[in-house]
This record gives sequence, C-alpha cells and structure tokens, in this order.
Amino acid sequence: DAGVIQSPRHEVTEMGQEVTLRCKPISGHDYLFWYRQTMMRGLELLIYFNNNVPIDDSGMPEDRFSAKMPNASFSTLKIQPSEPRDSAVYFCASSLGWGTSLHFGNGTRLTVT
Amino acid sequence: SQQGEEDPQALSIQEGENATMNCSYKTSINNLQWYRQNSGRGLVHLILIRSNEREKHSGRLRVTLDTSKKSSSLLITASRAADTASYFCATDRGSNYKLTFGKGTLLTVNP
Repeated sequence: DAGVIQSPRHEVTEMGQEVTLRCKPISGHDYLFWYRQTMMRGLELLIYFNNNVPIDDSGMPEDRFSAKMPNASFSTLKIQPSEPRDSAVYFCASSLGWGTSLHFGNGTRLTVT
Repeated sequence: SQQGEEDPQALSIQEGENATMNCSYKTSINNLQWYRQNSGRGLVHLILIRSNEREKHSGRLRVTLDTSKKSSSLLITASRAADTASYFCATDRGSNYKLTFGKGTLLTVNP
C-alpha cells in the first residue's frame, strides 16, 4: 500500500491567491482527517470526514477554509483567499475507524508571502 | 485546544540510555495513542492504549496509562540515534472521534 498521498509537497503563493491541497487516503479507510501544524499552535484538527461526509469542522479557522471529499479516494482542502498567517504544514490522515490508529501523509508545507 | 500535554518539551540522552516521556490530559478519554514524527515527515503511529488498559509493550516501547492521574508515559529502552524524533500523545474522548494532539517532546539521542 502506498500510504496516504498528499500533493503538492510544497506550495509557495502570494497573499490573496487560492490554494488547493490534495489528499488520497489509504484504500478502505472510512475516516479522513485534515490537520495543520505550526510551531506556535502544534497540531490542530481542522475537519474530519466519515464515509465522505464531514462530521466535525469546528476546527476550520474561518470561512476562507473549505474542505470536500467527493469520493472515498480523494479530498481537497481549499484556502481562498490565502493570508500569511495560513503558512503551516497541512497533514492529511486516514483511519479504519474509531479507536484505531491514524495514518498520516507527509504533509504539504504552505508558505504565503 | 490541546487535550494532551507532553513533558518534557525536549530531552537529550546518550545512545543506549532509556528515554521517558510523559503526557497529561484534562478530561476522561476513550483511548490514548503515541506517535513519532521525524523532521519533515508525517506522524507515525507507535502504540494505542485503551482507557481500561494500564500497560502495553511493543518492542523497545512501553506505555503506561494512569486514568486516576490522567497521565501516560512512554518509555523507550536502549535508545538508538534513529529514535531521534518528536513524540506526541493523542487522545479521543466522548462520542466524537476527534483525535487531539499535544505539542510533543523532542527527543535527541546522541551517538
């Protein structure tokens, strides 16, 4: 199994631009999570899906952030418009279900100038 | 908000020594998990311990859970330079499968 695949690995963009991060979870995993990691705030859960349905998006910072999961093998996290404070590493993770381990991708390092 | 808090924030030891990291949390949990993160990579799962368990082992790793003190510890025995990484605890609680992470312990194992 290839594991959780995220793209791109690095993204540099200017303030105000739209950014789309992509994730392919492990096949058969019913849960998908989006986390953001910064030195100041650590790992923050943004949103998670179960069977492609968003379950909890209380961690999404504001309306500029949106996430979709159109099918079981693909999810996107979109930031529009981006701001410098959005600079962070964004991780996608998937799992089989409640009480099991999360499998993380290698993250997308986003820099907004 | 952070549920788990790791202690210490940083730990530096010599190869062959044991490393102990602690995690404290605030509210009752269903499960507690430990993860490792190498620089520039995603987190890798190490051990999951359920709230009704007190101790688990996996190779050189030993995890304990004390629900009365709301704390857990991760012991790495006979450490190796390759164990150098950040270690995180994560908990889920209640009926919501939200896994929240602490800020981690940075372990450096010197050869």
